[in-house]
Amino acid sequence: ETGVTQTPRHLVMGMTNKKSLKCEQHLGHNAMYWYKQSAKKPLELMFVYSLEERVENNSVPSRFSPECPNSSHLFLHLHTLQPEDSALYLCASSQGLAGPTGELFFGEGSRLTVL
Amino acid sequence: AQKITQTQPGMFVQEKEAVTLDCTYDTSDQSYGLFWYKQPSSGEMIFLIYQGSYDEQNATEGRYSLNFQKARKSANLVISASQLGDSAMYFCAMRGRGGGSNYKLTFGKGTLLTVNP
Repeated sequence: ETGVTQTPRHLVMGMTNKKSLKCEQHLGHNAMYWYKQSAKKPLELMFVYSLEERVENNSVPSRFSPECPNSSHLFLHLHTLQPEDSALYLCASSQGLAGPTGELFFGEGSRLTVL
Repeated sequence: AQKITQTQPGMFVQEKEAVTLDCTYDTSDQSYGLFWYKQPSSGEMIFLIYQGSYDEQNATEGRYSLNFQKARKSANLVISASQLGDSAMYFCAMRGRGGGSNYKLTFGKGTLLTVNP
């Protein structure tokens, strides 16, 4: 069982819907990340939180809104998305922003389809 | 800026044989870290192995080893004695240690490895 849990695993939404992706880590880490994985493209870093403060907003459109209420939980709120936003959204965590080796622990991802 | 290049979109290997997945990188950082992740069809990215740029010896983790050639800026992953469960996407990534954004991992596009019985 992974130490990083993402829900839902699959989500289909229309362009006018509002939905949220949830990520929970059980590893005692204090940094959390959202990555976007589109077909045939490298993973793209979207947001980074350290100690519940956002330290990175990687030019992500405002239709994606992150929230980190505590060090164990991370949300990605979605509204008025576009079909090109369809992708696998991966959450990750680490102990500190860099850690001894910079290793990130990933969840299994939320597969989003925007119709 | 950092860049990772994986030139093999797909690779095939027979079970029990060894396979090398290629990775080249580009960075202006003097100190950096190189990583390999495995992504099975379930979606989870699984950390496999790490190599620091100043590590004198190539990293090894069980059946995984990293063939690090600093002058050529390559960090190839070698999987020995392939198993059917090794079939997955493999991503090479790097992180610089200098500057304020040293937490950013830059990923390549990945290589799909298929292990044949």
